[in-house]
Amino acid sequence: GAVVSQHPSWVICKSGTSVKIECRSLDFQATTMFWYRQFPKQSLMLMATSNEGSKATYEQGVEKDKFLINHASLTLSTLTVTSAHPEDSSFYICSASPGRGYTFGSGTRLTVV
Amino acid sequence: GENVEQHPSTLSVQEGDSAVIKCTYSDSASNYFPWYKQELGKRPQLIIDIRSNVGEKKDQRIAVTLNKTAKHFSLHITETQPEDSAVYFCAASPHAGKSTFGDGTTLTVKP
Repeated sequence: GAVVSQHPSWVICKSGTSVKIECRSLDFQATTMFWYRQFPKQSLMLMATSNEGSKATYEQGVEKDKFLINHASLTLSTLTVTSAHPEDSSFYICSASPGRGYTFGSGTRLTVV
Repeated sequence: GENVEQHPSTLSVQEGDSAVIKCTYSDSASNYFPWYKQELGKRPQLIIDIRSNVGEKKDQRIAVTLNKTAKHFSLHITETQPEDSAVYFCAASPHAGKSTFGDGTTLTVKP
C-alpha cells in the first residue's frame, strides 16, 4: 500500500533554534501534502497545505514565517519550525493522498527545551 | 468552510458488544467520508471510507452509513474486541480537497 515516510520521529531542540521535518511519499507522487499538529488527546489540526512547486496555503492563525513549508518535488515536503519555543512542542504529522483516503506519516514528536 | 462534529468523545463497551460513533458535517460539497483509527503513539490509519453515492459500506466487523440529506454518517463496530480500543476520527472532504476531522472518539473495549 501507499507509504508516507516522516523523519525524524522525535526531536529535542533548544529554544530559539530551528527544526526541519521531512515528509516523503515513497511509492506515489503527491502534488499536495498536508501538515497537521496534534496535541495530547486532541484531534488533528490542519496547519497548512503544501503545494508542489508553489507556495503553501496556511490555515488561519498559523504563522507562515514560523512554520516554513517547502514542497520542492512530487515526493517531498518539509516543515521547518523556526525559532522554536516551548509552546511549539507538539506532535506534527503529515499526510498525502495516494488516490483513496489519506495516508499519514508516522509523526514527529517535537520537544523544545 | 467545513465543520465536522463527532460524538461521543468517549465510549466504553464490553467485549462482544457493538460500538457506534456518529458524525455530522456542514458542507454539502463534501462527498468523501473516511474513518481513521489511531492507537496510542501511532499514526492515524484509514479503516473504512464511503463516498456520497453510497449509503452503506461494510468490511467484516466494521460498517459505515451515510445520510447525505441529513449530513451525518456513522461508524459501526460489531463484536468488539480489546484490540479495537483506540481513538477513532471521522473526516469529511470534497473529492480532491483537504479533510476536516472530527474531534475523535476514545473507544475502550473492556475484556
